[in-house]
Amino acid sequence: EIVMTQSPATVSVSPGERATLSCRASQSVSSNLAWYQQKPGQAPRLLIYGASTRATGVPARFSGSGSGTEFTLTISSLQSEDFAVYYCQQYNSWPWTFGQGTKVEIK
Amino acid sequence: EVQLVESGGALEQPGRSLRLSCTASGFTFGDYGMSWFRQAPAKGLEWVGFIRSKAYGGTTEYAASVKGRFSISRDDSKSVAYLQMNSLKTEDTAVYYCSRRSISSGYYDYWGQGTLVTVSS
Repeated sequence: EIVMTQSPATVSVSPGERATLSCRASQSVSSNLAWYQQKPGQAPRLLIYGASTRATGVPARFSGSGSGTEFTLTISSLQSEDFAVYYCQQYNSWPWTFGQGTKVEIK
Repeated sequence: EVQLVESGGALEQPGRSLRLSCTASGFTFGDYGMSWFRQAPAKGLEWVGFIRSKAYGGTTEYAASVKGRFSISRDDSKSVAYLQMNSLKTEDTAVYYCSRRSISSGYYDYWGQGTLVTVSS
C-alpha cells in the first residue's frame, strides 16, 4: 500500500496570502494524484487531477505541481471560501490512498 | 446536473448488517465505475471499495479493512450502486460517501452528500 503523507497538518494564512501544501508518496505514483477540498459537513470536492490539471470550475488561484513522490498544491491568494481541509489521493495503484489532510485556517 | 444521493445509513449493532444505496442521476450511470469512501468522526478519508462498469466486467476491489465483510453491487437499470455491509464493527462507524470515478482515470469527480452509519451496542 502506498502511504501518502501531507504537511503541514495545519497552516495558518491571512486572506490574500499564499498557501503551499505538500504531499509525499512512499513510492512513485507518477502523475496519478488528485487534490480534494472538504469543508465542514460537506463532501469532498475535486480540485486537481493528474497532479496539475484543474477540475471544471476550479478557480485559477489553485495550482498543482509535482510528479513521482513529491507534490504541491498552491493557493495563490486565499479567499474566505478557501479555508477548509485539503486531501491528496493517489490513484496509481490499489488500494487508492489519501493523505491525512492539511487544514488551512485563518490567521 | 450530476447528482449522487446516498441512503440507508442508520444506527446498527455490532455483528449486524446494513445496506447502503447510491442513486445517481444526470449521467449515463452504466458507463462509469463507482466507489464508496468513508470518513470516521474527525478523521480523514478512506477508500472502501470500487465497482467497475459492465464494459470492464463489473468487477470489484476492496480495502483490506472491509474485504470479506463488505460487497458492492450495481443495478444499471435503476442507476443505483449498493454497499452491503456485513459483520459490522464499531470501527465501521463513519459517514459513507459514494463517488463517480472519472471516465478516464482513477480520480473522483462527483461525490454524494454522505450517509451516517453508526455501529454501537
